[in-house]
Amino acid sequence: EAQVTQNPRYLITVTGKKLTVTCSQNMNHEYMSWYRQDPGLGLRQIYYSMNVEVTDKGDVPEGYKVSRKEKRNFPLILESPSPNQTSLYFCASIGRPRAGDEQYFGPGTRLTVT
Amino acid sequence: GQQLNQSPQSMFIQEGEDVSMNCTSSSIFNTWLWYKQDPGEGPVLLIALYKAGELTSNGRLTAQFGITRKDSFLNISASIPSDVGIYFCAGLGTASKLTFGTGTRLQVTL
Repeated sequence: EAQVTQNPRYLITVTGKKLTVTCSQNMNHEYMSWYRQDPGLGLRQIYYSMNVEVTDKGDVPEGYKVSRKEKRNFPLILESPSPNQTSLYFCASIGRPRAGDEQYFGPGTRLTVT
Repeated sequence: GQQLNQSPQSMFIQEGEDVSMNCTSSSIFNTWLWYKQDPGEGPVLLIALYKAGELTSNGRLTAQFGITRKDSFLNISASIPSDVGIYFCAGLGTASKLTFGTGTRLQVTL
């Protein structure tokens, strides 16, 4: 079954404590992406990766890092989380970037930073 | 970063009614996508549009890719309770970047 998995699904942490949200896909997709979703703002892209070792900034990259050492995994790293990074995060992978019909989103990670 | 203007922000309709929502952009997209998000889940792709002027259906859903390539419309006919959720438009631009609309929250009453 085609799947994008994220862990953890829920996380409450404190300001400044480094954390990593993992994302993994089993479809051998080259393109992966991270979004954050905030009320009234829809989904905004944080970072994306078009292939292994190729990453680029999206619209809201400040305060985040990513890595793409292997095709299936694309972790999101918050080196020093702050309360304004409290949000719902989605990882996505795309099989054929110019075709809209192979887009898959993970189930989401709800992060609260106190 | 760019965002798409999506309207309406929310809708309360009765079961059986038709629904229309639209999305506009200041820039051109080559692909328009419509997603639905249920509570606690990630967005799920409903319809993808690849060509200006294209009209595509998926069951009770019909979407159109505007001729100017700067807008798109989604219609849902004969709404049912399971249509409840948030609907997002998205434009696929260069470098495979997806830009999302702000969402339309749909509530269906019996």
